[in-house]
Amino acid sequence: KNQVEQSPQSLIILEGKNCTLQCNYTVSPFSNLRWYKQDTGRGPVSLTIMTFSENTKSNGRYTATLDADTKQSSLHITASQLSDSASYICVVSARDNNAGNMLTFGGGTRLMVKP
Amino acid sequence: DGGITQSPKYLFRKEGQNVTLSCEQNLNHDAMYWYRQDPGQGLRLIYYSQIVNDFQKGDIAEGYSVSREKKESFPLTVTSAQKNPTAFYLCASSIGIGVEQYFGPGTRLTVT
Repeated sequence: KNQVEQSPQSLIILEGKNCTLQCNYTVSPFSNLRWYKQDTGRGPVSLTIMTFSENTKSNGRYTATLDADTKQSSLHITASQLSDSASYICVVSARDNNAGNMLTFGGGTRLMVKP
Repeated sequence: DGGITQSPKYLFRKEGQNVTLSCEQNLNHDAMYWYRQDPGQGLRLIYYSQIVNDFQKGDIAEGYSVSREKKESFPLTVTSAQKNPTAFYLCASSIGIGVEQYFGPGTRLTVT
């Protein structure tokens, strides 16, 4: 069964500090991995997408890494801002023509940035 | 939220009543999806549609129904058969299967 596990479940950091969120997956055959940011009460918005051959990808203060051998990904946030407070969701896509099992969602990490 | 709208944002219903959630997109996307989100859990796929007049059950379709009469619209009906309907419902669309999905702002349904 395809699964995506995220840790920690929640995290509180002070404004300006860095943090790293983890994502472990058992999705096969692997196609790509996306990190989404979801503000409270809103829909998720894509931050990065990584394919099998990519190890690192940055989007401003967000840097995602992917280790396809160990099936792990991380999202590193640099110099956190209050607006970074949100849930971060790891989504892994399997190579399949059936959209029903195409995406597997992690439970998310809820990040709170305090002043 | 980019071109996908869901309405209403909040919805309250009495137990035993059917309720329909709206999802509209102007992105010219062929594929549309409905997900349910519960606290601390990942999104779970309810139904999806690859093209007009076609839709497929997702992982948790029981107690839900959909229609896809127009490319732009994919309404979800939560029926009285759904045991735990209170949740946050997200609609998404994509150009095709297997590419990035764009999410709507969501509808929070509370059934008492």
